[in-house]
Amino acid sequence: EPEVTQTPSHQVTQMGQEVILRCVPISNHLYFYWYRQILGQKVEFLVSFYNNEISEKSEIFDDQFSVERPDGSNFTLKIRSTKLEDSAMYFCASRLRQGNYGYTFGSGTRLTVV
Amino acid sequence: GQNIDQPTEMTATEGAIVQINCTYQTSGFNGLFWYQQHAGEAPTFLSYNVLDGLEEKGRFSSFLSRSKGYSYLLLKELQMKDSASYLCAVRGATNKLIFGTGTLLAVQP
Repeated sequence: EPEVTQTPSHQVTQMGQEVILRCVPISNHLYFYWYRQILGQKVEFLVSFYNNEISEKSEIFDDQFSVERPDGSNFTLKIRSTKLEDSAMYFCASRLRQGNYGYTFGSGTRLTVV
Repeated sequence: GQNIDQPTEMTATEGAIVQINCTYQTSGFNGLFWYQQHAGEAPTFLSYNVLDGLEEKGRFSSFLSRSKGYSYLLLKELQMKDSASYLCAVRGATNKLIFGTGTLLAVQP
């Protein structure tokens, strides 16, 4: 069964450093998402991406965050200057097209900011 | 505003049936999803409802009433491996998923 792949599975970074979280969505999917889940809390929407541009972003997704689809297969989330409160599990998800098709989530990257 | 409510925790016995409820108030509705999430892992898709009524899928069924803003997930013949968090998520007007806080289900022998 096709999978959404995320790397790394776990990243530890110092406060103020830049991190790039990588995702390879399912190859024929058209819609891409980043979500995050702070430990013990609910899954929160960050950003959606379609046709090489951001469709929607949440208030969490401020100027410190950016997304890119640099080469037609990878989908990256960059955090420019990490803060302690950015520590969370970050999930990438992709979806084929409009309609009732489900969102497939990757296995996540656990980001720890120290 | 957006609000999705689920019970925080539930406990059930192996072999039994459990019903996890979800109520929602969202701006726009394009369907309701149920996901299973084991600790430290990704949510995995269980079911989808967009019309009122019951959708059955093996041991799992999900019900939706749009007029009441209400859904439930029914798990039958519970197994120990069903111990997990169950997430109710609504797809809103802009097609993003809005998640509830999840229900942590503990299945006991």
